[in-house]
This record gives sequence, structure tokens and C-alpha cells, in this order.
Amino acid sequence: AQTVTQSQPEMSVQEAETVTLSCTYDTSESDYYLFWYKQPPSRQMILVIRQEAYKQQNATENRFSVNFQKAAKSFSLKISDSQLGDAAMYFCAYSTNSGYALNFGKGTSLLVTP
Amino acid sequence: DTGVSQDPRHKITKRGQNVTFRCDPISEHNRLYWYRQTLGQGPEFLTYFQNEAQLEKSRLLSDRFSAERPKGSFSTLEIQRTEQGDSAMYLCASSSGTSTVGDTQYFGPGTRLTVL
Repeated sequence: AQTVTQSQPEMSVQEAETVTLSCTYDTSESDYYLFWYKQPPSRQMILVIRQEAYKQQNATENRFSVNFQKAAKSFSLKISDSQLGDAAMYFCAYSTNSGYALNFGKGTSLLVTP
Repeated sequence: DTGVSQDPRHKITKRGQNVTFRCDPISEHNRLYWYRQTLGQGPEFLTYFQNEAQLEKSRLLSDRFSAERPKGSFSTLEIQRTEQGDSAMYLCASSSGTSTVGDTQYFGPGTRLTVL
């Protein structure tokens, strides 16, 4: 079975601080794509960052960056200079070359405090 | 540039009734996906269309579920003889299909179904 594990159901960070959300995945495929999605309360899911597994360089998008460790099958998300608007559920997901479905973890709820 | 839209946003129905949801993907996106999300869980894949062809179906998609995408544009998801276990958020997503695999999926706001 292919799975995604997000071991932190809830995380809290103060405004302007840095927080890291963890994600591990399990796939037998050698080529795949990794994603972090953000789902604000009662709002739709939006893409935060995307990483192609064949690329060794970690993806970055402004304040968001990932630490991709392929051998360990780890894909953590770092949010720098946290803002109140970052409060949301964050989902880690991947897709493979053998299918188009996204496989999601259970999510991490991020609380940002002033 | 409008995003993915879904209709209705909320649906309350009685057990045993049929319901139909609609999804309009981003214009010119040829891939369309349906997911189901229950409380406290991540979305679970239901089915996938490439243009009008339904190419992949999850085991979660029981015989009571049917999805269509006529003419490769909007899609409908129908649930027949609803059960309380069908209560969930039904999410639609679309992607451009310009790459073979791994292209970014853009999600709609979802349809929240409550079965009484």
C-alpha cells in the first residue's frame, strides 16, 4: 500500500517565527512528485509547493521551502516568517508515474499566534 | 482566469435519495479528478477523467457512484441510494494535462454532503 504519514496532527507557531511540518511517504515507485497543499478553514485547497523526485535541489516558493530526503522518503515543509494568514490545514501528497491520483496524508493543523 | 467551481456547495438529503454534483474545471484543463474528504482526513481519490474518458476509478467508487464528463468539459458525480456513510466533502480538481504525469491539480471549493 502506498501511504503518506504526517505525524503532527497540530502545530503552533508565533508570528514571524519559523515552523517545520513533517511528512514521510512510502512508495515503491522510483519516479514521483511531491506536493504540499494548504486548506484554510472553509476555503478551498491551494498548492503551496511542488517537488519532482528526480530533482535533488529542494523546491522553494517565497517563505515556503522543503527538505526533500529521497532515501529517507521524507518531505518536510518549512515556513519562514510565519503570518496569521498561514493558519490552515496542511496536507502532504504525492503522485506517481503509474497513476494520476494524489495520495494525501491526514494533514497538520497549523495555528499561528500573534 | 476563473478557478474550479462546484455546485451546489452544500447538499442535505435523506437516506435513500439520489444526489448529483457538478464540477466545472478551469477552462482548457483536460484532466479532471474527484476526491472525497471526511472529517479529520485527507482527500481520498475517487476517479479521474482525461477529456471525456474515465481512465481511473478507486475501489471507493462503489456501484452506487457514477461519474461522467460529457464532451470533456464539466463533470457530474451522482450518488444513488445515499447512505449516512456518504456524508463527506466531495472535491473536484483539474489539471492542464500538458505533462505526462505529476502536473499540479487545482481544487474547487467542494460540495459538502450531509445524509440524514
